Amino acid sequence: DAKTTQPPSMDCAEGRAANLPCNHSTISGNEYVYWYRQIHSQGPQYIIHGLKNNETNEMASLIITEDRKSSTLILPHATLRDTAVYYCIVRGPNTGGFKTIFGAGTRLFVKA
Amino acid sequence: GAVVSQHPSRVICKSGTSVKIECRSLDFQATTMFWYRQFPKQSLMLMATSNEGSKATYEQGVEKDKFLINHASLTLSTLTVTSAHPEDSSFYICSARDYGGGVETQYFGPGTRLLVL
Repeated sequence: DAKTTQPPSMDCAEGRAANLPCNHSTISGNEYVYWYRQIHSQGPQYIIHGLKNNETNEMASLIITEDRKSSTLILPHATLRDTAVYYCIVRGPNTGGFKTIFGAGTRLFVKA
Repeated sequence: GAVVSQHPSRVICKSGTSVKIECRSLDFQATTMFWYRQFPKQSLMLMATSNEGSKATYEQGVEKDKFLINHASLTLSTLTVTSAHPEDSSFYICSARDYGGGVETQYFGPGTRLLVL
């Protein structure tokens, strides 16, 4: 079973920031938080990951709470092409050998 | 990021035939690859873990004799769906594990859409 909980869907206006929450209250100390997204009929795309510090790259920012029980993926300026299913994954050496187990994800709709 | 390819991108076959799907890591070596299956409007379901030079490890409920996995090199894993039936029609996706620089990341292929008639 997936170790994360995400809202099933969210809407966001084009050009605005999209903030996607994820709960992972049972995360272990050596497990990382990864975010992927899947655009329709394509393979998942890696976005970002982190352990305990906030992270930023060219695609997004990842904010992890101090207790590591939840995180938020931020797309700073959402575009129509960001419409996709976003998956929050917890993974580490104890997760069955770094297996990636997908939950239902959050379906993000970016609207013009 | 790293690139993972799959071939073919889509395949249509008759019931009872076997289909082989290739997964390649193009710019890194992957001792571990994973195979997933995704039905319409559902999430990805892990089928098996493919380890270079050893037998694959299958998830509960996945028939190892039906879904043959071979990981003969550090850049190639193959999934063969044997005696395919219409219920095997699905989107098959692989991922490859990259452990460069002490950071573990997994990159996914574009998927192979299988339709069994």
